[in-house]
Amino acid sequence: SQTIHQWPATLVQPVGSPLSLECTVEGTSNPNLYWYRQAAGRGLQLLFYSVGIGQISSEVPQNLSASRPQDRQFILSSKKLLLSDSGFYLCAWSAGRSEYFGPGTRLTVL
Amino acid sequence: GQQLNQSPQSMFIQEGEDVSMNCTSSSIFNTWLWYKQDPGEGPVLLIALYKAGELTSNGRLTAQFGITRKDSFLNISASIPSDVGIYFCAGRGIQGAQKLVFGQGTRLTINP
Repeated sequence: SQTIHQWPATLVQPVGSPLSLECTVEGTSNPNLYWYRQAAGRGLQLLFYSVGIGQISSEVPQNLSASRPQDRQFILSSKKLLLSDSGFYLCAWSAGRSEYFGPGTRLTVL
Repeated sequence: GQQLNQSPQSMFIQEGEDVSMNCTSSSIFNTWLWYKQDPGEGPVLLIALYKAGELTSNGRLTAQFGITRKDSFLNISASIPSDVGIYFCAGRGIQGAQKLVFGQGTRLTINP
């Protein structure tokens, strides 16, 4: 069966510091991969998606970037975090018409 | 762009009551998905609908893909305390089929 992992589970970072969040999927090949951000009590905002290695589509211009170095690995990065980057970051995968989410990373920027 | 209207935004009910929520779209979708999210966790897929008119159940949950392909509803029968959470609808349109469009969520609170 398929499994999706995200780490770290929680992160507290100072403003201006770099960021790297990692997502890996097991049990499937060539999935579509997604990064979402969710503000407290709000809906889901799609940040990036990828249909294959090295292929990244950006949905929202901002100081975040994404990379897909391997088929089942998706990384969200920033060179300098802003206060507004705080939130709950979710990775998701799909290999058909359904989409499945990871457990999320809670990021607090101070 | 495509938008989903999900209602109600919140519900306060008594344990044992039935619940109904729905989503409507301004454009045609070929997939409707319903998720439940508990605090601090990722959304969990409850029901997936792939065909107009499809009615699918998962235990006490029932969801339908509207015949116009622009709406879907989710019903929960005989609610229990563990049903508390935020429910999201999501749709996949024909254009931009790689991406889901999400509703803003329905927050369900249950009084015992």
